[in-house]
Amino acid sequence: AQSVSQHNHHVILSEAASLELGCNYSYGGTVNLFWYVQYPGQHLQLLLKYFSGDPLVKGIKGFEAEFIKSKFSFNLRKPSVQWSDTAEYFCAGSNDMRFGAGTRLTVKP
Amino acid sequence: DAGVTQSPTHLIKTRGQHVTLRCSPISGHKSVSWYQQVLGQGPQFIFQYYEKEERGRGNFPDRFSARQFPNYSSELNVNALLLGDSALYLCASSLSGGSGNTIYFGEGSWLTVV
Repeated sequence: AQSVSQHNHHVILSEAASLELGCNYSYGGTVNLFWYVQYPGQHLQLLLKYFSGDPLVKGIKGFEAEFIKSKFSFNLRKPSVQWSDTAEYFCAGSNDMRFGAGTRLTVKP
Repeated sequence: DAGVTQSPTHLIKTRGQHVTLRCSPISGHKSVSWYQQVLGQGPQFIFQYYEKEERGRGNFPDRFSARQFPNYSSELNVNALLLGDSALYLCASSLSGGSGNTIYFGEGSWLTVV
C-alpha cells in the first residue's frame, strides 16, 4: 500500500541548531514528494517539492530536502533553525497525496 | 490572487445532523481535493475531483460525499454526523490533479460535533 511515514513526532531544538526531519515513502512508479509546513493558526503551506532531476531540492525559508531513492527517504533539513520555524511539518506524496502524521517542531529562543 | 477559500470557517453540529462544507479553488485550477485533519494527525485524503468527475476516494464511509460544480467549486457533504467526525476539513486545489501537480490548501473548516 502507498504510504508516507514520519518518524519524529515532536522535535525540540534551540535556535541556531541544525534540523533534520525524517520522511520515508513506500510506493512505486513515479515518485512525487512534498514537504508542507503549518504554522500555528495558519493553513498548510508548501515548503518544497521533488518531482525529478536533482535529488537535492531547495525550498523557501532556507529549507532543503534530499531524495534518496535507495533509502526511500526524503528528509527535510535546515542548517540553523529560528524561533519562527516553530510549526508542524508534514511530508506528503504518492498518487493521491498521502500525508505523514506530521512532526511538531518547537524552537526555543 | 485569491487562494483556496472555504466556508464556513467554524461550525458546530449535533450528532445525526448533516453538514455541507464549501470550497472555491484558485482561479484556473480544475481539481479539488478534500482532506480531514484530526487534531495531532496529518491530513487524511477523502476525495479528489477533476472536471466534475470523482478521480479518487480515500477510506471514508459512504456518509461522506462530494461534488464539483461547472465553475470548479466543490461541496463536501457528511450525513449522520458522529462525534468522531469532529476535525478540520481541508480543501486543496491544483491545476489538473495529476500526481505531479502541487496542491494548495485553504484554511479549512473546523467542524465540531457535539
